[in-house]
Amino acid sequence: DIQLTQSPSSLSASVGDRVTITCQASQDISNFLNWYQHKPGRAPKLLIYDASLLQTGVPSRFSGGGSGTNFSFTIGSLQTDDFATYYCQQYDTLATFGPGTTVDI
Amino acid sequence: VQLVQSGAEMMKPGASLKVSCKASGYNFAMYGVTWVRQAPGQGLEWMGWVSAYNGDANYAPSFQGRLTLTTDTSTNTAYMELRSLKPDDTAIYYCARDWNQYKENWFDPWGQGTLVTVSS
Repeated sequence: DIQLTQSPSSLSASVGDRVTITCQASQDISNFLNWYQHKPGRAPKLLIYDASLLQTGVPSRFSGGGSGTNFSFTIGSLQTDDFATYYCQQYDTLATFGPGTTVDI
Repeated sequence: VQLVQSGAEMMKPGASLKVSCKASGYNFAMYGVTWVRQAPGQGLEWMGWVSAYNGDANYAPSFQGRLTLTTDTSTNTAYMELRSLKPDDTAIYYCARDWNQYKENWFDPWGQGTLVTVSS
C-alpha cells in the first residue's frame, strides 16, 4: 500500500498569509497526486490534479507542485473562505488519501 | 453535472447496506465512480472505484470481500453495497465522478454524502 503523510497536521493562519502544506508518499508516485478542500457538512472539492494542474473554476491563489515522493500545496494569500481541511490523494496504485491538514484562524 | 445520493440510513450490526448515487449532466458511461467515506472525527478514506464504461472495479484492501460497487447505465446510477456492517462503519459515505473510465484518477464533483449509522 502507498502511504501518504501530510505536514503539518494543523496550522493557524491569518487572512492574507501564505500557507504551504507538504505531502510525502511512501514510494515514487510520479505526478499522480491530487489536492482537495473539505469543509464540515460539505462535499470535498477538487482543487489541484496531476500535482500541479488547477481544476477549472478554482482561484489562482491555489497552487501545487512536486513529483516522485515529495509534493507541496500553497495558498498564495489566504482568504476567509479557505479555512478548511486539505487532503492530498494519490492514484498511482489504487487510491489513498493523506491524513489531512486543518487550516484555521 | 450533479451526483445525488440516497438518504440517511440506520443499520444494525451484521446487516448489509446499499447506497445509490444518481448522476446527471454528463455522459455517465464515459467515466468512473469512486466511493469515499469519513468516519466521525476522522479523515477521508478511499473505498473503491467502479467503471461505468465496462463495469471493472477496484477495492481498497481493507474492504475486499465486503464491498461491491456496481453501475446501471440505463439509469445513470452507481451503487455501493457494504456487507457485515460493524459500528465502526458509521460514517458519511460519498460518491464522486472519477475522471478515468479505466482506473482511479481524480474525483470531481462529489455527491452530497449519505450518513450511515450502525448501532444495535
